[in-house]
Amino acid sequence: GAVVSQHPSRVICKSGTSVKIECRSLDFQATTMFWYRQFPKQSLMLMATSNEGSKATYEQGVEKDKFLINHASLTLSTLTVTSAHPEDSSFYICSALDHLTSEQFFGPGTRLTVL
Amino acid sequence: AQTVTQSQPEMSVQEAETVTLSCTYDTSESDYYLFWYKQPPSRQMILVIRQEAYKQQNATENRFSVNFQKAAKSFSLKISDSQLGDAAMYFCAYRSNGRGAGGTSYGKLTFGQGTILTVHP
Repeated sequence: GAVVSQHPSRVICKSGTSVKIECRSLDFQATTMFWYRQFPKQSLMLMATSNEGSKATYEQGVEKDKFLINHASLTLSTLTVTSAHPEDSSFYICSALDHLTSEQFFGPGTRLTVL
Repeated sequence: AQTVTQSQPEMSVQEAETVTLSCTYDTSESDYYLFWYKQPPSRQMILVIRQEAYKQQNATENRFSVNFQKAAKSFSLKISDSQLGDAAMYFCAYRSNGRGAGGTSYGKLTFGQGTILTVHP
């Protein structure tokens, strides 16, 4: 099946710094990617929908100025957590939609720890 | 808005036995997809099975099968001959097959709360 990669797989940063997470579709073009946040033993919560060449659509309650999303190419979307704080510590997962098949493929996730 | 409910936070099964995970959903749409995803300890989301709402026949994938009751808005997952490797968190998910306003929500998944499945040897 199609592969989606995320980088880094885990990151530890100091409070107040910004962290960028990359999501890449490796063997298909993805005009739409999704960013999720997951706390331990909880479900995936959709943060935003990333569309190539246009602004991301954020879910209610998600601060767009804090979670910056850029989808500049058909294979790459980035999520930047700006001025990270300990409460932003979580597991972030991206997924990419293959429009040819309508199948959605998930990345392996990024564990963010903010000290 | 669509909602997905998994009422079983945890389930357990003996190896080689059968277990059924429950899922209900609420929608006013008629054209949609339903999915079961597995999330093992690695936390990589793995598609287990998918069902298209317009298909009456229940989907099956080897030891995994679903009981799709469209009128009741129920979508349960049956795992037969359970194996130790089936231990994971399982999520039921809904996806509309239509395009939302501006098409920006196409492909958006709504997940249930998840069920942690333990398999005993």
